[in-house]
This record gives sequence, C-alpha cells and structure tokens, in this order.
Amino acid sequence: EPEVTQTPSHQVTQMGQEVILRCVPISNHLYFYWYRQILGQKVEFLVSFYNNEISEKSEIFDDQFSVERPDGSNFTLKIRSTKLEDSAMYFCASSDTSSGNTIYFGEGSWLTVV
Amino acid sequence: GENVEQHPSTLSVQEGDSAVIKCTYSDSASNYFPWYKQELGKRPQLIIDIRSNVGEKKDQRIAVTLNKTAKHFSLHITETQPEDSAVYFCAASDGTSYGKLTFGQGTILTVHP
Repeated sequence: EPEVTQTPSHQVTQMGQEVILRCVPISNHLYFYWYRQILGQKVEFLVSFYNNEISEKSEIFDDQFSVERPDGSNFTLKIRSTKLEDSAMYFCASSDTSSGNTIYFGEGSWLTVV
Repeated sequence: GENVEQHPSTLSVQEGDSAVIKCTYSDSASNYFPWYKQELGKRPQLIIDIRSNVGEKKDQRIAVTLNKTAKHFSLHITETQPEDSAVYFCAASDGTSYGKLTFGQGTILTVHP
C-alpha cells in the first residue's frame, strides 16, 4: 500500500535555527497537509496545499512557517527561527478525490528545540 | 471554526467487552467524520470514517454512528482485544476545506487481558 514518507524521523535543533522537514506524499495525490502534535495533546492542522499554493492555514501557521513543493515529489515545511514551543511531532499528510478525500498520514518528524 | 469535543479521555475495559467513544462537533456544515487510532510514537491511522449522508457504518468489530441533528458521532468497538489499546481520535471536516480536519482531544483506550 502506498505511504506518505517523512524525513527526518527525529531532529534536535538549537532555538533560533532554521529547520526543514521533508515529505513525499502518495504519488497520485494532489492535496498535501502539515499537522502538528505537541506531546500528549491532540493533532492540530497547520496548512493545506493544492495546485502549488496554500489552500488554507491555521493561526498556528504564522510567518515563521512556510511550505514548498520544490519538485514533483517532495513537499517541505520550513520553520525559519525555531522556538522552544515548536517542539512537537509534525505529520505530513496527503489525499485525493480519487481516494474519497481520505487523508493519509506519514510517520511523523519529531522536532526537539533546545 | 469547528470545535470537536471527545469523551471520555481515558477508557479501561476488560478483553471481550465493548468500548464506546463519543464526539460532538459544532459546525453543522461538517460532513466527514473519520476516526484515527494512534499507537505510541506512531502516525494516526484511519480505522473508519463516515459521511453525513449515512447514519451508521460498520467494519468487522468497529462501527461508527452519526446523529446529524444532535451533532454527535460515536465509535463502537466490540469484542475488544489487548491490541486495540491505543489513543483514538475523532475528527471532523466540512469537506470544502479539504484535509482540514479538526481533531478531538483523544481517548486513551486500555484493554486488559
């Protein structure tokens, strides 16, 4: 079964540093998302991306965050200047109308900001 | 925006018993309600979903019911097994904001052998 893949699985970074999290969505999917889950809390929507532009973003997704689809397969989340409170598991996800808009999540990238 | 409330936060059952988790939502435009199972440190995995044009859906030991009038939906797991132990999240989406799922707070289900 096709899967959403993410790298790195775990990253530790110094506060103020830039971080890029990478994702390869399921190949025939056209909608891409990033979600965040702070330890012990619920999953929260960050941003959706379709047709090479942001479709919707939450209030969490401020100017420190950006997304990009640099080529035909990768989808990235960049955090420009990380803060302690950015420590969380970041999940990439994808979906498509052909799959009934079911959203498939990647394994996550655990970000620790120290 | 949408708000999803989930109860209970923890649920402990004996193997073979049934487990029921309930969620309410606030946005009457929501029309897609998935349930995810998340094991520790793993991705949320879709276990069942329901759309607003049906009231109930079943898949082996798992069923979901939806009451649009009352704006609540429930997950039912019958004949629970220890491997059902995990965190379960409900979510809601209005379908127009594709992929913008609003999640509930999660239920930690523990099934004792």
